[in-house]
Amino acid sequence: EAGVAQSPRYKIIEKRQSVAFWCNPISGHATLYWYQQILGQGPKLLIQFQNNGVVDDSQLPKDRFSAERLKGVDSTLKIQPAKLEDSAVYLCASSLAQGREQYFGPGTRLTVT
Amino acid sequence: SQQGEEDPQALSIQEGENATMNCSYKTSINNLQWYRQNSGRGLVHLILIRSNEREKHSGRLRVTLDTSKKSSSLLITASRAADTASYFCATDVGGGADGLTFGKGTHLIIQP
Repeated sequence: EAGVAQSPRYKIIEKRQSVAFWCNPISGHATLYWYQQILGQGPKLLIQFQNNGVVDDSQLPKDRFSAERLKGVDSTLKIQPAKLEDSAVYLCASSLAQGREQYFGPGTRLTVT
Repeated sequence: SQQGEEDPQALSIQEGENATMNCSYKTSINNLQWYRQNSGRGLVHLILIRSNEREKHSGRLRVTLDTSKKSSSLLITASRAADTASYFCATDVGGGADGLTFGKGTHLIIQP
């Protein structure tokens, strides 16, 4: 079974630029999550989708972050404009259903200079 | 804010010994999950234990949950060098949105 795919794996941008990350979940997984992991900390949930609807985006900085999951499969997370403190690994995870174990992708390491 | 807090923050043991990590959390949960993260394989799910369960096993892993104390422990028996990683507990508080709240993790080093 193919795992969660993410791209790109690494991205370096200057502050105030924009960036987008892509995620393809495990086939058949209805629930998709985006997490932000700052160095030395555990992942922090940004947004959760159930199919193509948003379940929880309470921790998403909506003034600069946006996410969508068109057609209930792939998802993109965008940051515009980026700040230095956005430097982190952005992890995508998917789950067969709510309340089940989550499967994580390899992440995108973002460096904002 | 972080729901779970792992203890200790770092642990170094000899190969073959057992490793125990603890996790405390603040609010009622639907389930608690343990994950392992290393540079080679990213974040990998280990065990999920539901709020009505007290103990769960998977191979060399044993997880306990005490909801009255809001705490959990992860025991790795007969440790191997490949167990070197960071271990995180994560809580699902239920209520429809089940995004996980992670602690800061325990960094485990297995000395050969």
